[in-house]
Formats: sequence, C-alpha cells, structure tokens
Amino acid sequence: DQQVKQNSPSLSVQEGRISILNCDYTNSMFDYFLWYKKYPAEGPTFLISISSIKDKNEDGRFTVFLNKSAKHLSLHIVPSQPGDSAVYFCAASARANAGGTSYGKLTFGQGTILTVHP
Amino acid sequence: DAGITQSPRHKVTETGTPVTLRCHQTENHRYMYWYRQDPGHGLRLIHYSYGVKDTDKGEVSDGYSVSRSKTEDFLLTLESATSSQTSVYFCAISLRGYTDTQYFGPGTRLTVL
Repeated sequence: DQQVKQNSPSLSVQEGRISILNCDYTNSMFDYFLWYKKYPAEGPTFLISISSIKDKNEDGRFTVFLNKSAKHLSLHIVPSQPGDSAVYFCAASARANAGGTSYGKLTFGQGTILTVHP
Repeated sequence: DAGITQSPRHKVTETGTPVTLRCHQTENHRYMYWYRQDPGHGLRLIHYSYGVKDTDKGEVSDGYSVSRSKTEDFLLTLESATSSQTSVYFCAISLRGYTDTQYFGPGTRLTVL
C-alpha cells in the first residue's frame, strides 16, 4: 500500500520554464512534507519542506504547495535550470503514529525524473 | 555537508552470506535511519535508531537487523543475503527527528548473486 505516490515517473522541461512535480498521499496522519533531490550515485539532499499548518512555502526558485483537502502537494521550480535535472522525491512524516512518537520516520514517493533541456 | 560516511560503497556477495553495512556520523545526531532504494519504490525505511541501543523496525525490516552501540555508528546486517536484497542502501541522520531535516550518506550499492 503506497501511502505516498508520485504518479509521473518523468518530466521534461525547457530551461527557463516552470517545472511542476506532483505528489499525492493517503495517510491523513501525515502532517509534515518534504522534497528531496537526488543526483546519480549520490545520496538524496533536502530541498524544501512544509508543515500542514501552511499551504505554501517558498525558498528562492522553489515553492511547495499543500492542498490538505485533496491530500496533494506540488513542487514548483521557476525558472528551471539544467542543473535541476535530477530525481525528485516527495516524503511525508507524522508527529505520531498508532504506536506513539514517529521519530521522524519518512515515507517516500517513487520519485520523478526531471530533465531540464538547455 | 553533514559528516556521514558509509562503508563499503560497493559490495558484491553471494546468496546466503552475511553482510554488514556501516554508517558513521561525526555530527552527534540522535536519530539514524537505514533506507533502501529500488526502482518503482523510492526509498523505504528498513530500521531506525532513536538513541544508543534504541532501535526499531521500519517498513521493510524482514531479513535485516541493526545495532547501535555508540552514537556515531549504525550497523545494518543481512544475516543471510538473498537476491531480493540487491539494492542501494542509504543511511540518514537527524538531530531532532520529527520535522527535522534528514541528511543522507552517499549510499552503498549491494549486489547479491
């Protein structure tokens, strides 16, 4: 049962345009969401996060939007650059699960491969 | 960059052999995690630790065990490796856990023949 889903395996965008990566979740206990970027042969690196008390968080070219009613979040990259080409993972965390404290455990989506063409 | 190293970085082993992967951190972070990355699955949590000698199971813990005898080291052991455990393994660390950024190591690529 995939609790976090990224339904687009890949996305191709022209340099300078907007990239929009989407993520859906099913577990209503999730209240903190993150995006990670991963280059080949490297570990994931943190990009941006959002708490469920917000619906938008912005950091430079990166903006994450959260729609709690739809259980949907998206990452916008504007403008896209060739160096943004990577795999993007969304992840979700819950303050506490049925067993108590969550200890910050993350549930990841399958990832979306973003390619930005010059 | 967070001080996280993983060893070995690459390993090829045969079915049935024991394998231990090591994660070492120099950040004195309390929380440590082991994930595996497989195509179509993203990253899945294997085990995690919330302190020295305090560990618990994650989503895909069958066939794996862990130990944490000191803050800086978190070991992942495959008691008897199987081909289904061929994967890329990532260690992550976090200072406070919930809502805190997890920093990932460079990964270990394990192939079980």
